[in-house]
Amino acid sequence: AQKVTQAQTEISVVEKEDVTLDCVYETRDTTYYLFWYKQPPSGELVFLIRRNSFDEQNEISGRYSWNFQKSTSSFNFTITASQVVDSAVYFCALSAYIKAAGNKLTFGGGTRVLVKP
Amino acid sequence: GAVVSQHPSWVICKSGTSVKIECRSLDFQATTMFWYRQFPKQSLMLMATSNEGSKATYEQGVEKDKFLINHASLTLSTLTVTSAHPEDSSFYICSAQKTSGSPDTQYFGPGTRLTVL
Repeated sequence: AQKVTQAQTEISVVEKEDVTLDCVYETRDTTYYLFWYKQPPSGELVFLIRRNSFDEQNEISGRYSWNFQKSTSSFNFTITASQVVDSAVYFCALSAYIKAAGNKLTFGGGTRVLVKP
Repeated sequence: GAVVSQHPSWVICKSGTSVKIECRSLDFQATTMFWYRQFPKQSLMLMATSNEGSKATYEQGVEKDKFLINHASLTLSTLTVTSAHPEDSSFYICSAQKTSGSPDTQYFGPGTRLTVL
């Protein structure tokens, strides 16, 4: 069975502070993808990043950075110098191919980020 | 690229009526589409997976006779909520994936908010 845990339900910061979102996953598959999605108040899920299980290289994209550590089954996400527009719910998700059911995306519970001006 | 649309964005209906929600991939062919349900302040719950030209695969606990899914083409999937009741009120989100057979990125539509009176 697959499981994604986002221990932080809500984080509140003041603008320009850094925010790190934790994500821990469980899977028995050796090939899988990890994702981060952002869901602003409008409701639409916005794809942020995808990492496959063979690529542990961490990445920085603008104010976003990701830290994938297979040894601890973690895929953490950091927003640097947060802005009010970053206020949203962030979901970590795992996709592994299950032959009988196709590609299922398992979501974590989400972390609500509130950036105050 | 990878834009997914949903129509309608919101719908209010009377109890006992049926509602159809459309999900379209606008700039790519979607081999696989997914339907999710999201309750307020909760994560996404996968309802079903559909592949073009095949019957949908429903998750455990989802009534296939109540939530009819049709994936008639590579760019269109529909979800029909039959004989809707107030407990069916929710935010329904579709996603589309370019491939099947391996983990891939799911691109999400903007969601449809259903309110059953």
